[in-house]
Amino acid sequence: TQLLEQSPQFLSIQEGENLTVYCNSSSVFSSLQWYRQEPGEGPVLLVTVVTGGEVKKLKRLTFQFGDARKDSSLHITAAQPGDTGLYLCAGAKTGNQFYFGTGTSLTVIP
Amino acid sequence: KAGVTQTPRYLIKTRGQQVTLSCSPISGHRSVSWYQQTPGQGLQFLFEYFSETQRNKGNFPGRFSGRQFSNSRSEMNVSTLELGDSALYLCASSPGRFQETQYFGPGTRLLVL
Repeated sequence: TQLLEQSPQFLSIQEGENLTVYCNSSSVFSSLQWYRQEPGEGPVLLVTVVTGGEVKKLKRLTFQFGDARKDSSLHITAAQPGDTGLYLCAGAKTGNQFYFGTGTSLTVIP
Repeated sequence: KAGVTQTPRYLIKTRGQQVTLSCSPISGHRSVSWYQQTPGQGLQFLFEYFSETQRNKGNFPGRFSGRQFSNSRSEMNVSTLELGDSALYLCASSPGRFQETQYFGPGTRLLVL
């Protein structure tokens, strides 16, 4: 079983639409990271959130860490075709071990 | 700085064979983690090495092993390959203190026939 569940698993939207991806767990994490992965490549880090309730913005992307540090969300405003990819959340627990979510595959149609 | 490099990028093997994958971390990084990525299971943690010592281990059978050299380069070995070992194997490096940002390489795609 996955420690982190992401929803939705697949998402196909039109350019200009908004979307939210959720990353949920029953476990507490000391930090949570979001990555984007393109086909044939390794994941690329987008953001790290550390404090419960923390909100970070990266241009059109808004990341939030839940108050209890068990869940997180990624909101994209006015999606563009360049946002297409696999979005992964990853939670850090003890040591240097990260637990990855199940992934959300996003397709933005021009 | 050069990023994380992995060799080879693609590999085809047959069942029963063994394979060794290589990872060179970012210069100065001392921690190397290995992950297996498959469509069905997503990204699964294999193990993490720091200063030539295995510091964390995931829930994989003993056929999966690794090591780290004094220059922080790491190798991963899979013995007696099974069809289910077909996957993208990703290596990630970080400076070495706990819970720091991990930087991923492009991965090695292994196909077992």
